[in-house]
Amino acid sequence: DAGITQSPRHKVTETGTPVTLRCHQTENHRYMYWYRQDPGHGLRLIHYSYGVKDTDKGEVSDGYSVSRSKTEDFLLTLESATSSQTSVYFCAISGRLEDSDFTDTQYFGPGTRLTVL
Amino acid sequence: DAKTTQPNSMESNEEEPVHLPCNHSTISGTDYIHWYRQLPSQGPEYVIHGLTSNVNNRMASLAIAEDRKSSTLILHRATLRDAAVYYCILRDHYGGSQGNLIFGKGTKLSVKP
Repeated sequence: DAGITQSPRHKVTETGTPVTLRCHQTENHRYMYWYRQDPGHGLRLIHYSYGVKDTDKGEVSDGYSVSRSKTEDFLLTLESATSSQTSVYFCAISGRLEDSDFTDTQYFGPGTRLTVL
Repeated sequence: DAKTTQPNSMESNEEEPVHLPCNHSTISGTDYIHWYRQLPSQGPEYVIHGLTSNVNNRMASLAIAEDRKSSTLILHRATLRDAAVYYCILRDHYGGSQGNLIFGKGTKLSVKP
């Protein structure tokens, strides 16, 4: 395991409520990613971070925001959840800071199953 | 990143070798071939990657065609735990760039006891 945890692992919420998902790593990787996985779509990138306070949008970023105030944590926030955001959310990391070689291997967390009613 | 084509599904018997094919006819010279797999109810897991030469690790082997337009992931002795969706992904390593992985639909491998 690459030392990635996600919390919560399951969440049920109502439309219009704010939701924050947390990704925590203990591996000192520079890059962190949030993906969502839906039937028929595979995994799609929401946002990613290439360093503390450095983030960028992915393919499906509308309705989501992220923050990274320290290397270990990458937060995904749904400001006002909608039913279309019901999905399984995966966090991933890559680029260990101590490594001089580039590998681009991504390590994934266990996922968070979010249901928006 | 260039596109890959994989069969939707494959079946194997336990303890037999499995060859999972991937076509990538538009691969560029700086594209690495990565394989990930996703077991049921888990996040994707890195399996192996390579550029030109065949590669082996504890999980699998990767055979890359001489023209690099196709590759094959080889599981030498399939176990029930190998039942998963296998994704073949091309990643451009030019300039040392990192970025998201583009997942296709992958190949769903079933392993029969």
